[in-house]
Amino acid sequence: SYVVTQPPSVSVAPGKTARITCGGNNIGRKHVHWYQQRPGQAPVLVMYYDSDRPSAIPERLSGSNSGNTATLTISRVEAGDEADYYCQVWDSASDQPVFGGGTKVTVL
Amino acid sequence: QVQLQESGPGLVKPSETLSLTCTVSGGPINIFQWSWIRQPAGKGLEWIGHVHTSGTTNYKSSLKSRVTISVDTSKNQFSLELTSVTAADTAVYYCARVGLGGSGLDYWGQGTLVTVSS
Repeated sequence: SYVVTQPPSVSVAPGKTARITCGGNNIGRKHVHWYQQRPGQAPVLVMYYDSDRPSAIPERLSGSNSGNTATLTISRVEAGDEADYYCQVWDSASDQPVFGGGTKVTVL
Repeated sequence: QVQLQESGPGLVKPSETLSLTCTVSGGPINIFQWSWIRQPAGKGLEWIGHVHTSGTTNYKSSLKSRVTISVDTSKNQFSLELTSVTAADTAVYYCARVGLGGSGLDYWGQGTLVTVSS
C-alpha cells in the first residue's frame, strides 16, 4: 500500500515561515489534503487538492505538490498555528485514504 | 453548516462489540461517502472505513474481519460496529464526511473516546 512520510516535528519562531513536508513515491501525481489538529480538538481540513484552501482558512496557509514531496507552508506564523498537521492522499489501488504520521508544529 | 455528532458507549468490555452512531445535520447525507477514523492517545489518525449512501463499503484491510459500517439515510445516520475488541481498540473515534470528488474529509465530528476495559 501507498506510504506517506512526515517529519515528526517542526519548530518555528513567531512571524517566520513553517514548511511541513509530506513525502511519497511520485506523490506529485496524487492529490494531497492537509489537516490541522489542535490539542483536544478534531482535525480540520486546511488544504485540499494540493493547494486549495477552504473559505475559513487564512491565506497565510498555502500548499504545493511536485515530484516526491508535497508541502504545506504557513507564513507569518502565529501562536495559534501550534498544532499537529497531517497530510492525506487516496491510494487509488485500494480506494482508501492514507494518512501521514503527523507533524507537530511548535511555535517558539 | 454541516455538523456531525458521534454517540455511543464510552466503555466497552474486552471481546465485546463497539457500536457507534454518527448523526449528520445541516446538509444532505445522500451522494456522499462517510468515514470512521480513530486516534489512540498520543498517536496519529487511522482510517477504519467508509460507506457510500448507496451501501458500498470499504474497510482497512487489517480491521476488515471485525468491522461493519452501515448507513440509514432515513435517519441521517451512519454507524460503526467493531467486534471482539481489545485494549488496542481504545481510541478517540471520529466520524467524517468525504468531500465530493475525493476532496478530503471536509467535515468531522468532535470525536468520542471509547475505552476497552473490564
